Amino acid sequence: EAGVAQSPRYKIIEKRQSVAFWCNPISGHATLYWYQQILGQGPKLLIQFQNNGVVDDSQLPKDRFSAERLKGVDSTLKIQPAKLEDSAVYLCASSLEGGRIHEQFFGPGTRLTVL
Amino acid sequence: GQQVMQIPQYQHVQEGEDFTTYCNSSTTLSNIQWYKQRPGGHPVFLIQLVKSGEVKKQKRLTFQFGEAKKNSSLHITATQTTDVGTYFCAGRTSGTYKYIFGTGTRLKVLA
Repeated sequence: EAGVAQSPRYKIIEKRQSVAFWCNPISGHATLYWYQQILGQGPKLLIQFQNNGVVDDSQLPKDRFSAERLKGVDSTLKIQPAKLEDSAVYLCASSLEGGRIHEQFFGPGTRLTVL
Repeated sequence: GQQVMQIPQYQHVQEGEDFTTYCNSSTTLSNIQWYKQRPGGHPVFLIQLVKSGEVKKQKRLTFQFGEAKKNSSLHITATQTTDVGTYFCAGRTSGTYKYIFGTGTRLKVLA
């Protein structure tokens, strides 16, 4: 079974530039998560989708971050414009809906450096 | 808002020693998950606990969910160098969909 795919793996941009990340979840997983992980900290949920609907985006800085999940499959996360404090690893995860165990499968992440 | 803290932040042990990390939530949880993240890697699911007072074992790992469902612990018996990494708990509150990750405990095992 293929895992969660993310691209690019690394990105370096200057502040005020724009950047986009892509995620393809495990086939059949209805729930998709975007997390921001700053070095030395735990993952922080930015947005959670169930199919193509948003179930939580309370911690998404909506003035600069946006995300979409068209057709309930893959997803993109965009930052526009980027700030220095956005330097982090952006993790995408997916999980099956239904059942009692909500195991989240994480992708390899995109390491963003904002200069 | 909900906060999930873990202690200790760092732990260095000699190979063969035991290790425990503690997770405390500011709110009552419906369930709690544990993940392991190797250096340079991504979090990998270990287990999910649902019931008050639940104890689950996976080989040398023992997971416990507190009676009040506000705390949890992970205990590793006789650590090995392969146990190196950061261990995160992630708690979910009733009525919400999201998991809040803890601050993590970074484990180093000295051979």
